[in-house]
Amino acid sequence: GIQVEQSPPDLILQEGANSTLRCNFSDSVNNLQWFHQNPWGQLINLFYIPSGTKQNGRLSATTVATERYSLLYISSSQTTDSGVYFCAAAMIYNQGGKLIFGQGTELSVKP
Amino acid sequence: NAGVTQTPKFQVLKTGQSMTLQCAQDMNHNSMYWYRQDPGMGLRLIYYSASEGTTDKGEVPNGYNVSRLNKREFSLRLESAAPSQTSVYFCASSEAWTSRGTGELFFGEGSRLTVL
Repeated sequence: GIQVEQSPPDLILQEGANSTLRCNFSDSVNNLQWFHQNPWGQLINLFYIPSGTKQNGRLSATTVATERYSLLYISSSQTTDSGVYFCAAAMIYNQGGKLIFGQGTELSVKP
Repeated sequence: NAGVTQTPKFQVLKTGQSMTLQCAQDMNHNSMYWYRQDPGMGLRLIYYSASEGTTDKGEVPNGYNVSRLNKREFSLRLESAAPSQTSVYFCASSEAWTSRGTGELFFGEGSRLTVL
């Protein structure tokens, strides 16, 4: 099955700094998503991005499917960006699929 | 619009007891999922249901059973709980995955289960 690896595992930033989180996956995928888990445990979908680039405010994501990686950019970080960021990947088949998660990157933004 | 609702939020069981985690979604999604989250392990897929009437095993199905009761509801049952099943369980739903569909997952708030 698909293997999903994220780096770095931990990241500490000063408020206002920029960061890049990386997600590598072992096989071809046509479903790639990024999630944020806040300190209270809530999981929020940030991007569905099997290929190309998307932006949402201070966050943007790029997936290069042919090279099997995706990047999540956080600009001008804020304390509310703290939490764990997960990427998840799958091949779609039979109207569904096994969306496999990476181990996550734990981000702490200091004021 | 409640999204994905899980019950109960917290549960303590003794080894060997059984219980069912309930999940319901009001977004008319075709697909539903059960994940467990353990420290340092990320989220691991237990079972999923791509559409009403179908269920498939995920990465860690042993010790669990599921039922897709109808389009809205997907339950997870532990027949004989073990301490290794202590975890936070998340239910999620998505539109049907098609070549044009997004399949974005929407998660419930989680259910914290402790097995003593």
